[in-house]
Amino acid sequence: DAKTTQPPSMDCAEGRAANLPCNHSTISGNEYVYWYRQIHSQGPQYIIHGLKNNETNEMASLIITEDRKSSTLILPHATLRDTAVYYCIVRLMEYGNKLVFGAGTILRVKS
Amino acid sequence: DAGVIQSPRHEVTEMGQEVTLRCKPISGHNSLFWYRQTMMRGLELLIYFNNNVPIDDSGMPEDRFSAKMPNASFSTLKIQPSEPRDSAVYFCASSPRGYTEAFFGQGTRLTVV
Repeated sequence: DAKTTQPPSMDCAEGRAANLPCNHSTISGNEYVYWYRQIHSQGPQYIIHGLKNNETNEMASLIITEDRKSSTLILPHATLRDTAVYYCIVRLMEYGNKLVFGAGTILRVKS
Repeated sequence: DAGVIQSPRHEVTEMGQEVTLRCKPISGHNSLFWYRQTMMRGLELLIYFNNNVPIDDSGMPEDRFSAKMPNASFSTLKIQPSEPRDSAVYFCASSPRGYTEAFFGQGTRLTVV
């Protein structure tokens, strides 16, 4: 699986959009970009995933660059409850493929 | 569905004792993952199963660790003998065939004294 690079930490004001970047320059054509988050002392929670098109769901939006070498997770209106570690993962979406986490980005939403 | 259920939630044991962690995946899910999380090493994949068969155990730290999945609704992670450095939070996760996301349990916080 391709490796990812994320900033170790970011701050965001409550109510503002949080934009979390991820670099995955070695991504291959059949690898997807996944985002998970982990709120303190809980298990990780799936947020969103995509291949090459931008994706949006009730939690967030995922913007993937045209060359697919980087992506941005957008939380449109961050709340204090969005404070968590956010993991960007690149992996093959095939049956039973393993899911490997990196260090992630600590997002602190401040009032 | 109640989600992925792990037991116990907390375990404190003495060095040298055997520890067994349990996981009940979501019904119908075909893949099961065991992770360990520490401040120093982050979230590490220990082993994962597809259809009850271990696929990749390269993350298991040493022979003291073993994992089994006797059926689709139950898995165990055993540490024998336990050591203080095994202290961590252990997570179990499951996902459906052709999945898009993995669902995590609440974890077991293990303390070996």
